[in-house]
Amino acid sequence: AQSVTQLDSQVPVFEEAPVELRCNYSSSVSVYLFWYVQYPNQGLQLLLKYLSGSTLVKGINGFEAEFNKSQTSFHLRKPSVHISDTAEYFCAVSENNNDMRFGAGTRLTVKP
Amino acid sequence: DTGVSQDPRHKITKRGQNVTFRCDPISEHNRLYWYRQTLGQGPEFLTYFQNEAQLEKSRLLSDRFSAERPKGSFSTLEIQRTEQGDSAMYLCASRRSSGGPYEQYFGPGTRLTVT
Repeated sequence: AQSVTQLDSQVPVFEEAPVELRCNYSSSVSVYLFWYVQYPNQGLQLLLKYLSGSTLVKGINGFEAEFNKSQTSFHLRKPSVHISDTAEYFCAVSENNNDMRFGAGTRLTVKP
Repeated sequence: DTGVSQDPRHKITKRGQNVTFRCDPISEHNRLYWYRQTLGQGPEFLTYFQNEAQLEKSRLLSDRFSAERPKGSFSTLEIQRTEQGDSAMYLCASRRSSGGPYEQYFGPGTRLTVT
């Protein structure tokens, strides 16, 4: 069965610094991978997705992620963060293109 | 494209009462999902529909919970005899079943507080 582990529950970082949010998954079959962002009291918004092909995926707001099959990882990166990136970030995996399983989330706090 | 909408946005109820939430998906999306999200956690899958058929239910969906999508458009999630442990954000999402894109589009959620 699919599962997702987000290795850091909280990541504090200063504005304009780079950031990496880590995600590892467990699955015995091919998967689709997603990163979502959630701002306070709002639903989830898709940042980027990996379905197949190039392992480096670019998303909105300057975020990118790299799929590493051997490491079963899908880490999210941004070279320079802004105050407005402060939010909760969720990694998700879909094993059968039916349902989706989410990690527990990483709270990114960008400090001035 | 009006997005996924949920109603109400907030609901406060007393323990033992029944509550019902509504979700209106994006119009051309035939799949509709319900999730529960508690504080500090990611969304937990509850159930999903393809058109009007309920195809999968999580073991989290106890017999006090029921979901319907009678005409394959909007869906309702009902919780009977609410308990304090039901306090959470209930999220709805929708997507197409085939032909992509494969991501789910989420509504703003309904926050339930059981007192």
